[in-house]
Amino acid sequence: QSALTQPASVSGSPGQSITISCTGTSSDVGGYNYVSWYQQHPGKAPKLMIYDVSNRPSGVSNRFSGSKSGNTASLTISGLQAEDEADYYCSSYTSSSTPHWVFGGGTKLTVL
Amino acid sequence: QVQLQQWGAGLLKPSETLSLTCAVYGGSFSGYYWSWIRQPPGKGLEWIGEINHSGSTNYNPSLKSRVTISVDTSKNQFSLKLSSVTAADTAVYYCARGAYCTNGVCYLLGYFYWGQGTLVTVSS
Repeated sequence: QSALTQPASVSGSPGQSITISCTGTSSDVGGYNYVSWYQQHPGKAPKLMIYDVSNRPSGVSNRFSGSKSGNTASLTISGLQAEDEADYYCSSYTSSSTPHWVFGGGTKLTVL
Repeated sequence: QVQLQQWGAGLLKPSETLSLTCAVYGGSFSGYYWSWIRQPPGKGLEWIGEINHSGSTNYNPSLKSRVTISVDTSKNQFSLKLSSVTAADTAVYYCARGAYCTNGVCYLLGYFYWGQGTLVTVSS
């Protein structure tokens, strides 16, 4: 069982917007602004899409945005495109027990 | 351009020790934390642990008793050892570049650079 809770799947049509939630606790998501989001296509290494809750690395489309409210972080993808179909994982720094990182179980995004 | 290249044994028997190494090319080696992350087939990501150039480590509490991460700054390499493996340790193992620390302040910027991944299978 993953430390952070994500929906198993979400779907949307091209051009639409979708949001993926990531729920943790006050020891991780709620306690720090160190939430990251990763996109993973089959057989590939994860790709960093958002770091520190809402920052985009260079080269990531501005269609991807992140936010946080309390113990829940969210990734929003606007203007869905076929190439956005992938698995998405959230991650958070946590100080629970010892400092380390935890991941969500992943969300499969299907572009209809 | 930063590149991470990893290698190690891909097939182990139960109770053996998993050993992987990751070499870093380009960019700075010191000042960063270097991590290992794994992904069982068809499942999600699991953070294993990290080390900096000084040898300071942090481990996933659930794996801490079996994990050792070490660093060789002369070669810009870091390594993972996981002892007493079982079938549950079968996964793709990734190395990745983590937080940047300078003047006592660390910037947790997520994992931008990843190795290519190594599938490690544990089977008798």
